[in-house]
This record gives sequence, structure tokens and C-alpha cells, in this order.
Amino acid sequence: QVQLQESGPGLVKPSETLSLTCPVSGYSISSGYYWAWIRQPPGKGLEWIGSISHSGSTYYNPSLKSRVTISVDTSNNQFSLKLDSVTAADTAVYYCARWVAKQQLVEYFDLWGRGTLVIVSS
Amino acid sequence: SSELTQDPAVSVALGQTVRITCQGDSLRTYYASWYQQKPGQAPVLVIYGKNNRPSGIPDRFSGSSSGNTASLTITGAQAEDEADYYCNSRDSNGNYLVFGGGTKLTVL
Repeated sequence: QVQLQESGPGLVKPSETLSLTCPVSGYSISSGYYWAWIRQPPGKGLEWIGSISHSGSTYYNPSLKSRVTISVDTSNNQFSLKLDSVTAADTAVYYCARWVAKQQLVEYFDLWGRGTLVIVSS
Repeated sequence: SSELTQDPAVSVALGQTVRITCQGDSLRTYYASWYQQKPGQAPVLVIYGKNNRPSGIPDRFSGSSSGNTASLTITGAQAEDEADYYCNSRDSNGNYLVFGGGTKLTVL
């Protein structure tokens, strides 16, 4: 059974860097698939942040691209998110997920972590 | 604003059929995927591709697409189907991923 679980600080100060990791159990990241970060501000909808392939190719939301870095650590079977220069607008529940894009024109997030709330506040 | 447009709220009587729609230019090319999210929980994939259900998703959930509109249909809605539903696909240029704004489904 494949499981993902976000981990990291629940409180980040404005202008600092938000850092989260997503250890994956039950599946080797280096075997394939893409891995993604998605966030949801309180009371609002879902926003895709970015995705990374098992080999390290990255795809970012243009609205966040200048501040986002997603990386994969195959030795520890996890992937990570860094978001620079955070503001209160970055307060959200952050989810890690597995993104399936094996078939042309058919893409979806089939597995999700439980999510972790990150509050940006001094 | 999202490049995928959903009605903010829809209601259905218990046991009746409801269709939740998602509009966007990318849907003429890409299939949408659909997610159910209940309060305080992570989203759950319910439909992907032409009309595929992951294991464990009841067969009352189905998907379809026509032109620039993708639809999620629940045939015989149950009380436990009350949730927010999100569609997901690409932006109009096919360069990145976007979610619809979400539809809150109320089962009366």
C-alpha cells in the first residue's frame, strides 16, 4: 500500500522559506511516476504548485515559479518543496500527491497525503 | 481566476441524479480528472480518463466529455456524496495543470 505523508514546520515567518518533505512508503520513487505538490488556502480551492519526475524533471505553476523549488531524493525515497519569500497569502494546507501521466492526454493525481497546514505569521 | 470553470454550488435530492460540469478550452484535447473532498480531508480521485473509476469508487459515479465541457454524473446520489468536487486538467495552452474552482454538492 503506497502512502505519502507531508512533514515540516506548521508556522513560517513572513519573508522566510517554507520547506516541506513528503516521504513515500510502499513504492520506490525511482521506479517511475511523477510527484506533485498542491495547496489549498483555508476555505478556498485547490492550486497546483508543481510536479517532478522520478528523474528530476520539474514543472511549476507559472504564478509561483520564481519562488518554488521541488526536488526528489531517491536515496531517502522522498520529495520536497521549498517556497521562498512567503507572505500571509501562502497560508494553506499543503498536499503531496502522486501524479500519473503514463497515457497521452490522461493525467491525474491518484494518491494524496493527508495534508499539512502551514501558517505564515510573525 | 481558473481556466476551468465550475458552478460554485449544486444540490440534488437523495436518490436522484446530478451532473457537475467543468468548462475549459483544454478539455477539447485533454481529459479531466475529478476529485471528491469532504471537510477536513484530502481530495480523493473519483474519475479519470474517458470514464474510469479507481478501485473502491462506487459505480454511481461516472464521467463524460463533450466539446469544452467535462461532466461528473452521480446516479442515485447518497448522503455520503455531499462534498466539494474539483475537476483538473491543463491550461488552455496545455502547458501546466489547473484545477476548477470547485462545486459544493448538497444532498437534500
